[in-house]
Parts: sequence; structure tokens; C-alpha cells
Amino acid sequence: GAGVSQSPSNKVTEKGKDVELRCDPISGHTALYWYRQSLGQGLEFLIYFQGNSAPDKSGLPSDRFSAERTGGSVSTLTIQRTQQEDSAVYLCASSLSNEQFFGPGTRLTVL
Amino acid sequence: GEDVEQSLFLSVREGDSSVINCTYTDSSSTYLYWYKQEPGAGLQLLTYIFSNMDMKQDQRLTVLLNKKDKHLSLRIADTQTGDSAIYFCAESAGNNRKLIWGLGTSLAVNP
Repeated sequence: GAGVSQSPSNKVTEKGKDVELRCDPISGHTALYWYRQSLGQGLEFLIYFQGNSAPDKSGLPSDRFSAERTGGSVSTLTIQRTQQEDSAVYLCASSLSNEQFFGPGTRLTVL
Repeated sequence: GEDVEQSLFLSVREGDSSVINCTYTDSSSTYLYWYKQEPGAGLQLLTYIFSNMDMKQDQRLTVLLNKKDKHLSLRIADTQTGDSAIYFCAESAGNNRKLIWGLGTSLAVNP
């Protein structure tokens, strides 16, 4: 079956612009996670959605970052007023129980 | 706090066994994971172990968990050049099961 998909695969933007990253989880998976992978920081948790519960936003690095999950399926991560330190690979994962399955990621480059 | 540590590099000869080690700090971790990341590819879940187990075997992979010492290892038998990749250790923490990651061990397999 289809895995987790993310779009775009690459995004180059100018400092100060807003970007939207999209994640399509595996059908039926109730949990959705966003992580960020950067050279200096490794992999870090950003946000977690579980069903209709309020999301766990404890990993978001600043209020420029936000995410939503519509209809319990597709999720969008928005970064406002991008900064160079936001450059990273943004990874989405979905889960039904103990296993998290990852998408290919979106590589964001902020010039 | 939560922390996961791994050695950064490992080099082995083709056909030998590889052992990748990981230590973690969160004694309340319920699951511990090994993921594989090949160059330019996404994160692939290799295996995971529940914290009340001390060993799990899956084909060429053997996971050992020493909960007292908070030490996890991944043994790859008969290592092949296709096993060359970065291997990430991760622990699952809290009700949201977010993953806390090590920085990854780069495995080089020499013919």
C-alpha cells in the first residue's frame, strides 16, 4: 500500500518568506508526527497529532512554526518569516500503534 | 532529561558482524527503535524492542537491551555492502510516544 508522502520534496525560499509543507499519512493511521533533521541538531520532534485530540506542540522551536491536520488526515506545517536556521529536512511520520513510518521528507533551504 | 547517545562511525569488512551501540537516559522509555537511513533516502524502521524484553531477533538483526545499564545494541550478522548507511537509535517517551533520537552511527562496509 501507499506509504507516507510529503510535498514538495525540495523547497528553496528567501529569508522572510512563508512556506507550507504538506504530509499525507498512511490511510487509517491516527497519529501523525513532524520532526526536523538538521546538521547541527540531528533529529528533533516538532509536533504530534492524535485523532481529534489537541496537538502536542511542545517541540515547535518558535511561534513562527504552526501545523494543522485537517479531517484527521493530511497535515500542513507552516513556517512564517523563514530564517536561515530553519534550513533542514522536515520529516513526517504516521503511526497506528508503536511503529512510526516516515515519509521521504521536504528539504527546505532558506537563502 | 532525555538523551540518546551513539558512536558516530563504525567500519567493518563484508561478511563480518557489525555491532552498533546506543545508550539512553530515560528509564521510563517503553520502546526502543533502530532506524536505517541510506544516502538520499528516508528513514526505514528496521526493528524495535519493548522495554520488558532483553533480546529480539529478526533474520540477520539481533537487538539486545540491558535496561539496568540503559544500553541498546544492534547486531547485523554477515554484513553486506548494502548495509552501508546511517543507523539511528531512538527511544519512545511519554504518552505521545514522540521519538528521541541519537545522532546516528555511520556504518561503512568494506569489500
